Amino acid sequence: SQQGEEDPQALSIQEGENATMNCSYKTSINNLQWYRQNSGRGLVHLILIRSNEREKHSGRLRVTLDTSKKSSSLLITASRAADTASYFCATEEAAGNKLTFGGGTRVLVKP
Amino acid sequence: SAVISQKPSRDICQRGTSLTIQCQVDSQVTMMFWYRQQPGQSLTLIATANQGSEATYESGFVIDKFPISRPNLTFSTLTVSNMSPEDSSIYLCSVRGSTNEKLFFGSGTQLSVL
Repeated sequence: SQQGEEDPQALSIQEGENATMNCSYKTSINNLQWYRQNSGRGLVHLILIRSNEREKHSGRLRVTLDTSKKSSSLLITASRAADTASYFCATEEAAGNKLTFGGGTRVLVKP
Repeated sequence: SAVISQKPSRDICQRGTSLTIQCQVDSQVTMMFWYRQQPGQSLTLIATANQGSEATYESGFVIDKFPISRPNLTFSTLTVSNMSPEDSSIYLCSVRGSTNEKLFFGSGTQLSVL
């Protein structure tokens, strides 16, 4: 079964608005990562948060991690049409070094 | 960072045939990972390719269906054998970065089987 479950599955917003998506997982992790995929192409790494971190920022991205709830959120502020993509969380389990991907959130930013 | 060249970018194949996907990395890496992404779905790990040893396959994937070669530390191939329409997916190769945490991906191979 998938380690990460994301919600919402799809999100439609206007340019300039913020987009928030959530990821829940089941087992202990070393880190949680967020990736972006444009139009079914290769994934691009966005940000990594370690299990001992609670919040991290990178440009317009803000990631939080709550290990007690086994959940993470990705916030994209002041969204742009170019942010239109699918976003995936991925967890590296404490027991091994492979990444397991969540179901993804499809984000549409309307100009 | 790592730059991965993956080809072909897309192909349309007939049922029963095989397709070999190639990935070339611009640096030497110990492990390469092959993922499948079925339409509208997330990524599922097929196998981990190690240089000099047999690939390690995940549950539900077998070597006869998805043979992998790893002749050196910068190159790997994945073959999708005896294809059926259910094999229509995006196939992606990836490697770990120098910190061994984040993944870098090839641009993917969009496979359609008729």
